[in-house]
Amino acid sequence: GQNIDQPTEMTATEGAIVQINCTYQTSGFNGLFWYQQHAGEAPTFLSYNVLDGLEEKGRFSSFLSRSKGYSYLLLKELQMKDSASYLCAVLDSNYQLIWGAGTKLIIKP
Amino acid sequence: DAGITQSPRHKVTETGTPVTLRCHQTENHRYMYWYRQDPGHGLRLIHYSYGVKDTDKGEVSDGYSVSRSKTEDFLLTLESATSSQTSVYFCAISEKGHSGANVLTFGAGSRLTVL
Repeated sequence: GQNIDQPTEMTATEGAIVQINCTYQTSGFNGLFWYQQHAGEAPTFLSYNVLDGLEEKGRFSSFLSRSKGYSYLLLKELQMKDSASYLCAVLDSNYQLIWGAGTKLIIKP
Repeated sequence: DAGITQSPRHKVTETGTPVTLRCHQTENHRYMYWYRQDPGHGLRLIHYSYGVKDTDKGEVSDGYSVSRSKTEDFLLTLESATSSQTSVYFCAISEKGHSGANVLTFGAGSRLTVL
């Protein structure tokens, strides 16, 4: 079966750096997405990786290793507004999106 | 200024009653999706549409039907609601459908409670 694994919950301190991991086992691979979802709100797009390596976008970076079935989202200079769930999703060989259950990130002052 | 709106945002209903959720977009995107989101699960695709009157099933389509008579509207119907359909339902739209860098834009969600 297809599977996306993410930690359920993480806690970090304002101003620090946090890395949220995502491992996947899917039927093929056509890209990996990260979305942010604040409580009670809609998911919003953060990043897309299809090639190995690091993609940087401001305070957020996303890394992909296709050979290891692994990605991480790196958040720097954490702010209270970064408290949210972070969803990892993989596009499989049939171009179906497979979603992880999400990682709830709690930021403490 | 929202390009995608869902209605109703909240609904409480009883087992066995029909329920229709509406998704309306102003972006003229070809692709529209209905997902459900439950604790401990990733988003799960119910149905999607790739054009007017063109729809297909997702991974959890049992008990749900959809219709798309206009580009801007995508309706999700629960013919006879059950407690297992208590969930938050998200509509999403995209320009490119099932392709590589296909970014989804989500509506604000509809919280449905079936008693």
